[in-house]
Amino acid sequence: AQKVTQAQTEISVVEKEDVTLDCVYETRDTTYYLFWYKQPPSGELVFLIRRNSFDEQNEISGRYSWNFQKSTSSFNFTITASQVVDSAVYFCAYSGTYKYIFGTGTRLKVLA
Amino acid sequence: NAGVTQTPKFQVLKTGQSMTLQCAQDMNHEYMSWYRQDPGMGLRLIHYSVGAGITDQGEVPNGYNVSRSTTEDFPLRLLSAAPSQTSVYFCASSYSDGKLFFGSGTQLSVL
Repeated sequence: AQKVTQAQTEISVVEKEDVTLDCVYETRDTTYYLFWYKQPPSGELVFLIRRNSFDEQNEISGRYSWNFQKSTSSFNFTITASQVVDSAVYFCAYSGTYKYIFGTGTRLKVLA
Repeated sequence: NAGVTQTPKFQVLKTGQSMTLQCAQDMNHEYMSWYRQDPGMGLRLIHYSVGAGITDQGEVPNGYNVSRSTTEDFPLRLLSAAPSQTSVYFCASSYSDGKLFFGSGTQLSVL
């Protein structure tokens, strides 16, 4: 069965520090998708990125970057120069055929 | 565009009562799904649908029913509410690319 593990329950950093959120997944599927979602204190869920299993190219979007490594079954998320507005719960998710599996989330607290 | 609309935002039920959580999307998405979010457990898939007339079970389907009579609507029914169903419920929809658009959530308390 597929599984997504976010071992970091909560991380606190001081503003402007870099922070990496870890995501490890388990699957025997050859075709799948990986995602990151953000849940700010207001409670809504916001899509950040999707990556398919055939595309291991790293991606950068502003202060956000993602590192996908199939060899270690990891899809890590780095925020550079963190800001207070980055404070949220971040979820990593996996999708094979229509069924989504979410990790338990990492709560990021960015202190001013 | 309204996106994904969930109603109600808050609901309190007594054990044994039934109710329906409504979910509607105006993006013509074929895929719709329901999740529950509990502290420390992330989001867990309850039921999903890949199109009108087609539904299937997710990870935690017991105690919940769904139907999909139109592309736009995907209601979630609690047949006989139990305290264990106290949770925050999210509806989501997507195109075939898998990017989920979520509703704003329903906070349900079962006493």
